[in-house]
Amino acid sequence: DVKVTQSSRYLVKRTGEKVFLECVQDMDHENMFWYRQDPGLGLRLIYFSYDVKMKEKGDIPEGYSVSREKKERFSLILESASTNQTSMYLCASRVSSGANVLTFGAGSRLTVL
Amino acid sequence: EDQVTQSPEALRLQEGESSSLNCSYTVSGLRGLFWYRQDPGKGPEFLFTLYSAGEEKEKERLKATLTKKESFLHITAPKPEDSATYLCAVQGTYKYIFGTGTRLKVLA
Repeated sequence: DVKVTQSSRYLVKRTGEKVFLECVQDMDHENMFWYRQDPGLGLRLIYFSYDVKMKEKGDIPEGYSVSREKKERFSLILESASTNQTSMYLCASRVSSGANVLTFGAGSRLTVL
Repeated sequence: EDQVTQSPEALRLQEGESSSLNCSYTVSGLRGLFWYRQDPGKGPEFLFTLYSAGEEKEKERLKATLTKKESFLHITAPKPEDSATYLCAVQGTYKYIFGTGTRLKVLA
């Protein structure tokens, strides 16, 4: 089975801190995604990457950046965390052709104080 | 505008009481409709993919169906362990549009 691993399950940060959320997948998937999930708003796409060093803005990229230096790793960066970035962050991956199922990680719950 | 609406928002069932969850969608060029299960504090877990109207998929007590405007997730004789949030999503090009989910609680 495809495994998507988010190394940090729970984080508590201060306003203004730089935050790194890491995501690693082990099945050679080309495409990787970062979502945030908030009650009543569903999953909203922050950024996605269709290949190494490639990235595209999603629906809510403001305040975030991403890095994909290796195929298996996709990082989400909050340059200066703010309280409105308190959320559940979900990483997902998929192959670029054939089955289009998104496989999700377990999530990273970020609280910004 | 592409949109996914799930109903009801929350559902409480007695163990063994069958019911259905609804996912209504509007999307230009449906490439796939997906159902996920999400337990509290965890990531969504894939259940089904449906690609065309009339298609049906089954897994244990769950059955998903698809029409041109909506999908249903039928739960037959549910058990307490079926309690979770069920998410529906449709696929555009690269992007997926997610509903806000139905929170299901099955009481013993």
